[in-house]
Amino acid sequence: DAKTTQPPSMDCAEGRAANLPCNHSTISGNEYVYWYRQIHSQGPQYIIHGLKNNETNEMASLIITEDRKSSTLILPHATLRDTAVYYCIVNRTGANNLFFGTGTRLTVIP
Amino acid sequence: DTGVSQDPRHKITKRGQNVTFRCDPISEHNRLYWYRQTLGQGPEFLTYFQNEAQLEKSRLLSDRFSAERPKGSFSTLEIQRTEQGDSAMYLCASSPPIVGVVDTQYFGPGTRLTVL
Repeated sequence: DAKTTQPPSMDCAEGRAANLPCNHSTISGNEYVYWYRQIHSQGPQYIIHGLKNNETNEMASLIITEDRKSSTLILPHATLRDTAVYYCIVNRTGANNLFFGTGTRLTVIP
Repeated sequence: DTGVSQDPRHKITKRGQNVTFRCDPISEHNRLYWYRQTLGQGPEFLTYFQNEAQLEKSRLLSDRFSAERPKGSFSTLEIQRTEQGDSAMYLCASSPPIVGVVDTQYFGPGTRLTVL
C-alpha cells in the first residue's frame, strides 16, 4: 500500500533551491522518512533519511514537520545533474521491502 | 569501483527462453535484495536474502522466478519460460548489517530485459 504522496513532476531553475514535498500522513512512530533518487538509466541512490529532526548532509536537507505527517527534501543549489526521479519512502529499521511509489520527476532547467 | 555490480546490463531474449542474471553486492554486505522496475514506475520489491537465506518473497515472484545466493555472496535471479510481461529493469541492492538505526540500500545499475 502506498504510504507517501508526491507531486508527479516539478521544474527548478539551475542554481536555485529545489524543494520537493512529500505527504506521509499515516507514518508510524517507528518509521523513518527516506529519500532516494534515480537518475535516468541508473539504479536508485540513497540521499538522506530522518525520524523527526531536520537533517542535512552533503547532498541535501530534510525538513520534517512537527507532526511528522509531511516532509520536504531541499536541494540547496540545483544543478543539471540533479535531474532525476525523487522517491520519498517511509520505512522502519529492518524492514526489507522499500516501497518506492512513482516519485517526483525533477527537471532542472538551465 | 566497489559498488553493486550486475551482469549483464542488457539482455534480449525470445519468449519462452530462460534467462539468468547475476548480482555482486558490496563486500561485507550480508543483505541482498532484488527489485523489478517497469517503465514509468518505481522499483517493486521481489525478494530478500540475509546471507544465504532467502527470508522474504513478494507475490510478484511467480513460480517461474527463482533466486539464489548459495554462499552468501553473489546472487542469481533466473526467469524460466520468459513472457513479454517480464520485460523490465531488474535491480539488485545490498545493505550492510544494521548498526543503530541506519538502514540504507545500495543499488546496482540494473539489468534491462527485453522479451520479444
